[in-house]
Amino acid sequence: GENVEQHPSTLSVQEGDSAVIKCTYSDSASNYFPWYKQELGKGPQLIIDIRSNVGEKKDQRIAVTLNKTAKHFSLHITETQPEDSAVYFCAANDYNQGGKLIFGQGTELSVKP
Amino acid sequence: GAGVSQSPSNKVTEKGKDVELRCDPISGHTALYWYRQSLGQGLEFLIYFQGNSAPDKSGLPSDRFSAERTGGSVSTLTIQRTQQEDSAVYLCASSLGPGQSSYEQYFGPGTRLTVT
Repeated sequence: GENVEQHPSTLSVQEGDSAVIKCTYSDSASNYFPWYKQELGKGPQLIIDIRSNVGEKKDQRIAVTLNKTAKHFSLHITETQPEDSAVYFCAANDYNQGGKLIFGQGTELSVKP
Repeated sequence: GAGVSQSPSNKVTEKGKDVELRCDPISGHTALYWYRQSLGQGLEFLIYFQGNSAPDKSGLPSDRFSAERTGGSVSTLTIQRTQQEDSAVYLCASSLGPGQSSYEQYFGPGTRLTVT
């Protein structure tokens, strides 16, 4: 089955700097890669996703890139703000198992004012 | 519109007791997923419903865990004879379902279960 590795586990940046979080996956059949933001005491919030027929997707300050050959994908946040501080999870769908998501272990992002 | 809702938001129970956790998916979403998040950990898949059927129960950790879905809407996750290792946040997510060209899963706020 699918396995997703995520790093770094913690990331601290200064406000205004960029942040990059990277994930790798194992199953070449996976075709959907979402990113979630989880604030303390809340459920994960879908912030951006990418499908395997696309190499890059942007939404304002966030972007995701996908390299199918290398089986890795990354989240890029530019011009970080203190409200970006949260735990971020990457995931890949288990294509042959009803689309359940396999998650990475999470990255705790801290943006210092 | 209304998102995924879960109840209760917090549940404290004694070891050995049974608990029921409820999930109300987004209206019109035929697919429903349960995940578990232990302290400081990632999300672990438990079970998937398409309509009222559960084609994938592979993540249920033991036979003490069961789930059902009725009317293609509300789902209940039941844990019997709770153990301390069952303490976690239980998250529910829903999506439009297969054949709808939509993979997006939207999560509820979770139920924090503490077994004492």
